Amino acid sequence: AQSVTQLDSQVPVFEEAPVELRCNYSSSVSVYLFWYVQYPNQGLQLLLKYLSGSTLVKGINGFEAEFNKSQTSFHLRKPSVHISDTAEYFCAVSGGNAGNMLTFGGGTRLMVKP
Amino acid sequence: NAGVTQTPKFQVLKTGQSMTLQCAQDMNHEYMSWYRQDPGMGLRLIHYSVGAGITDQGEVPNGYNVSRSTTEDFPLRLLSAAPSQTSVYFCATSRGGREAFFGQGTRLTVV
Repeated sequence: AQSVTQLDSQVPVFEEAPVELRCNYSSSVSVYLFWYVQYPNQGLQLLLKYLSGSTLVKGINGFEAEFNKSQTSFHLRKPSVHISDTAEYFCAVSGGNAGNMLTFGGGTRLMVKP
Repeated sequence: NAGVTQTPKFQVLKTGQSMTLQCAQDMNHEYMSWYRQDPGMGLRLIHYSVGAGITDQGEVPNGYNVSRSTTEDFPLRLLSAAPSQTSVYFCATSRGGREAFFGQGTRLTVV
């Protein structure tokens, strides 16, 4: 079965600082990779996705992620965060053994401080 | 377009009661799924459907039933609610393997 590990449950950071949220996955076959954001009391919104092609993927709100097949990682980065980026972020994978449904990591709470 | 609509948004049940969480989509996606979200555990797949009349179990199916009679609707039934089913439930749709689109969630408390 495939799995997703988000290495940090919480990441505190000051406003305008850079941030990296880490995600590692395990799968024996090719997968699709996603990052979702969840603001308080809301549903999940897609930030970005990797399906194929360039390993550097750009998403909404200035976020980007890099797919590294050899390290089975898909880390999310932003060069300068804002207070409004405070939210929970989920890494997810689809394809492979679990068919076409998403498998999620445990989530990382990003806390941006003024 | 409404996208994915879940009802109700909040629900409190007593142990042993039954209820149905509704999910409707107007995106014409063939795949629909139900997840539950618990602190620190991300979202876990309960049941999913790859088309009308076809359903299958996910990671945590016990205590839940589903059916898919139309492309648009995918209700989730709790037959006898237990406190362990206190959670936030999300319905999602997708075109198989691609990004999923989520409803706003149903916050369920079982007392």
